[in-house]
Amino acid sequence: EAGVTQFPSHSVIEKGQTVTLRCDPISGHDNLYWYRRVMGKEIKFLLHFVKESKQDESGMPNNRFLAERTGGTYSTLKVQPAELEDSGVYFCASSQDLGRDYGYTFGSGTRLTVV
Amino acid sequence: QQPVQSPQAVILREGEDAVINCSSSKALYSVHWYRQKHGEAPVFLMILLKGGEQKGHEKISASFNEKKQQSSLYLTASQLSYSGTYFCGTATNTDKLIFGTGTRLQVFP
Repeated sequence: EAGVTQFPSHSVIEKGQTVTLRCDPISGHDNLYWYRRVMGKEIKFLLHFVKESKQDESGMPNNRFLAERTGGTYSTLKVQPAELEDSGVYFCASSQDLGRDYGYTFGSGTRLTVV
Repeated sequence: QQPVQSPQAVILREGEDAVINCSSSKALYSVHWYRQKHGEAPVFLMILLKGGEQKGHEKISASFNEKKQQSSLYLTASQLSYSGTYFCGTATNTDKLIFGTGTRLQVFP
């Protein structure tokens, strides 16, 4: 089966611009998670979708970040306007059932650089 | 609250063993272990559930002390392919995983 796909793989934007990251989970996986790793630090939770609903968005840094999951399939994460501290690697993961019971399958990430 | 991993870094020769520890201050439902190689996706290694059930994709062993909320990952007879950053992820009463700061493992010939 195809894995979790993220694109773009790299994005370099200027401060104040808008960037949209996309994640295609494994087909049939209802649970979709966004995480971010900044400057070699820990992988931090952003939010969790169950199908098209936001189950937990407690990790979203501020209202410049907007996540959507159209029809419970792919998801997008938009940053508008981007700030320097938003730089990092954004990972998407999916799980068919509860991730805490079965584990996640991660995508390769989008490396975002804000200059 | 973020779990604490130790050590932060390990350097090994091929064939040597290593133990990576993960400790949480919260009551845990499950502990997960992932390995990430530079520029790649974190890869699932193992999950340890409250009650003793384990699920893993590779021949790597781990333990979970529910009373102490601690887990250890055991890497025996290390190979070059074991190099990477190891993360533990902990789950409590919600479905999200909270990851530790990672342990960087380097295996040399």
